[in-house]
Order: sequence, then C-alpha cells, then structure tokens
Amino acid sequence: GAVVSQHPSWVICKSGTSVKIECRSLDFQATTMFWYRQFPKQSLMLMATSNEGSKATYEQGVEKDKFLINHASLTLSTLTVTSAHPEDSSFYICSARDRDRPNTEAFFGQGTRLTVV
Amino acid sequence: AQSVTQLGSHVSVSEGALVLLRCNYSSSVPPYLFWYVQYPNQGLQLLLKYTSAATLVKGINGFEAEFKKSETSFHLTKPSAHMSDAAEYFCAVSSSYSSASKIIFGSGTRLSIRP
Repeated sequence: GAVVSQHPSWVICKSGTSVKIECRSLDFQATTMFWYRQFPKQSLMLMATSNEGSKATYEQGVEKDKFLINHASLTLSTLTVTSAHPEDSSFYICSARDRDRPNTEAFFGQGTRLTVV
Repeated sequence: AQSVTQLGSHVSVSEGALVLLRCNYSSSVPPYLFWYVQYPNQGLQLLLKYTSAATLVKGINGFEAEFKKSETSFHLTKPSAHMSDAAEYFCAVSSSYSSASKIIFGSGTRLSIRP
C-alpha cells in the first residue's frame, strides 16, 4: 500500500524553541494532508487540514500561529510547533489520501513523539 | 457534522474468545466508516473500511464489521482473539472518499487479551 513517512519519529526540544515535523507521501501525490495530535491514552484529534499551495484550515481551538503548516508540494507537508512549551508535548500524526485514486483510504505516518523540556 | 462513539474504553477477553468492539456513528450523509488499529508509539493501520458495497466487511487479521443503518452501528468482531490483537482500536468516519475529506476518530478502545 501507499506509504506516508514522518520525520523525525521522536524529538526532544527545550521550552521556547521551535520544532519542525515533516510528512511525506512517498509513492503518491496528495493535495490534502491532515495533522492530528494524540495525548497519552487518548484519541486522535484533528488539528488542521493542509492544502497544497494554499493556507491550511485549522480546527476550532487550534492556534494557527503556534502550529504553522506549510504544504509546498504534492508530497510534503510540514508542521512547525513554534515557541514550544511542555504542554505541547504529544504524539503528532499526519495522514494523506492519494489524489489520483479515489475511494481509497487515508494513509497514516508512523507519528512523531514530541517532548518539550 | 459527523461523529463516532466507541462504547467501552477498555475491553478484556481471553485468548480464543470472541472479540466485540462497539462503535456507533452519527452522520447527516451516508457515512464512510473505518476501523484502525494502533500499537504503542506507532501510527495507524487500517483494519477494514465500509464503502456501501456490502454491509458485512471483512478486514485483515480475521477482523470483520457489520454496518447496520437501523442501529447506526459498525461494530468490530473477531471470532477468536489472539495475544497479538492486544492494541488500541479506533472507529472513524468520513463524509466521502475524496482526498480532501477529513476523518474523525472515536475515543478508542484498548483491547487486552488474557492468556
């Protein structure tokens, strides 16, 4: 099946710094990618929808200035957590669907564990 | 708006016993429904999906789910549990299969298998 790759798989950063997480579709093109956040023992909460070549659409309650999303190409979306704080520590997962294969499921990256100290 | 509700945050069964994980959906349009499995510190793997072609859907690893419109349910079952089935399971819904259609997840059910 299609592969979505996230990088890094885990990162530790100091409070106040920024961290960038990459999400790549390796063998398909995606005009839309999705970013989720998952706290321990909880479900995936949709943060935003990343649109290639245009602004991301953020879910209610998600700070767009804190979670910067860039979708510069059909195979890459990035999420930057700016001025990270310990409460931003979480598991971040991206997903994408193949734009050229309708009626297929979304594919998920392996996730990025962010720890802010 | 769409949503799914998973009944039971934790289910424990004996190895070899029937697995039943419950999911009810709410949708104003015909839903597209999914079950995903997540192992610790990993992403999600699709178990099965409902595409409206058949109400009984068979997935990987011996899992299956039945779409019941009258009950707005999409429960996941497996006849005989295996130790390797221990994981977190998520029911999810989408309004369509378009590439721009977002997927909304239920709260998850942690499945434990007793030897």
